[in-house]
Amino acid sequence: AQKITQTQPGMFVQEKEAVTLDCTYDTSDQSYGLFWYKQPSSGEMIFLIYQGSYDEQNATEGRYSLNFQKARKSANLVISASQLGDSAMYFCAMREEILNKFYFGSGTKLNVKP
Amino acid sequence: DAGVTQSPTHLIKTRGQQVTLRCSPKSGHDTVSWYQQALGQGPQFIFQYYEEEERQRGNFPDRFSGHQFPNYSSELNVNALLLGDSALYLCASSLLATRQETQYFGPGTRLLVL
Repeated sequence: AQKITQTQPGMFVQEKEAVTLDCTYDTSDQSYGLFWYKQPSSGEMIFLIYQGSYDEQNATEGRYSLNFQKARKSANLVISASQLGDSAMYFCAMREEILNKFYFGSGTKLNVKP
Repeated sequence: DAGVTQSPTHLIKTRGQQVTLRCSPKSGHDTVSWYQQALGQGPQFIFQYYEEEERQRGNFPDRFSGHQFPNYSSELNVNALLLGDSALYLCASSLLATRQETQYFGPGTRLLVL
């Protein structure tokens, strides 16, 4: 079974609008971390935001927020006020603390239209 | 504050050859992880090094080996290269002591096997 599932291969959003990128995960661990990374065409993975499994509040980092629904095992990324520079691949990832392994989803390609 | 660096940036090899990729972690980090990212896919975890020892390993054959030096830098070695080893190889560093253990990635090494 896939540990991380990103069901949106590609997304379009108008500049200045908000967009939600979906991510669901599968784990039996009680303690885990969820991450979102941005990968521009240059290839470098840029850390955006982190959510711990025990964190009660949804994480926020500037224009990025993580909609964490633990019972549904979902960790969607919300980007507010999209900018042209947000066009990139976005990856959801999970770290299972017991085994200390990281798993990445297949990514969502976001295109921001002017 | 120097980020994660990798060398070389690009590499072309032929089948059967051996390759060594290098990584220097972000200042203050003690843990290095390696990933393989095939075109159009998410990164796949190869292994992680801490205190000069391999802590965790993904589903990669023994042809993939690594090393971590006392200064925390790391090498990834791949023997008997196959065409399917062509990919972007990403190095990520983190600080083990932190519960969050966010990984910060380098720019990657693009390996092409002919």
